[in-house]
Amino acid sequence: GESVGLHLPTLSVQEGDNSIINCAYSNSASDYFIWYKQESGKGPQFIIDIRSNMDKRQGQRVTVLLNKTVKHLSLQIAATQPGDSAVYFCAESSTGKLIFGQGTTLQVKP
Amino acid sequence: DTGVSQNPRHKITKRGQNVTFRCDPISEHNRLYWYRQTLGQGPEFLTYFQNEAQLEKSRLLSDRFSAERPKGSFSTLEIQRTEQGDSAMYLCASSALRSGGAPYNEQFFGPGTRLTVL
Repeated sequence: GESVGLHLPTLSVQEGDNSIINCAYSNSASDYFIWYKQESGKGPQFIIDIRSNMDKRQGQRVTVLLNKTVKHLSLQIAATQPGDSAVYFCAESSTGKLIFGQGTTLQVKP
Repeated sequence: DTGVSQNPRHKITKRGQNVTFRCDPISEHNRLYWYRQTLGQGPEFLTYFQNEAQLEKSRLLSDRFSAERPKGSFSTLEIQRTEQGDSAMYLCASSALRSGGAPYNEQFFGPGTRLTVL
């Protein structure tokens, strides 16, 4: 079935460094991709999204890259801060409903 | 607060009891989604509404689950005869479907209702 997966369950980075979180998806019909941040006990928080007619989109301190050839999605966080510590999920959609991956836990070391 | 709200935030019930959760979406968001999340996993889609019409239901949504959005605003999710396997975080999200725009857009999530079935 459809699935979206993340390469690493945990990523540990030094405060101030850049973080890259990767995601692989399997449904070539997916045309919308989105990243969420989830802190313990809270609902997912929207970070950034991208449609399949783009390969890069930038937000404030975040960049999402989409490689449709290899069905790969990544989230780059510049100058990672302690407040960025959370679980990050990628999700894909081809019909409106979101299909989520397993999540990557980002740990920021002071 | 203009975000998605969910009530209650926590619910503890005994196996076999019925429970009902409520979701209030962002004002004028015409799409409303329900997801379920278990510990360490990503959210799993359950069902969604466009206005008052329920357009899709996941096979995860057994006949013990029912969702409504009678006036196209708030939604309720009821679980009948709860089982221990129903214990999870139930998340609601809403999005705006814009006329002439993209068919789907970013979904904004509420804080969730954590259900514990004893």
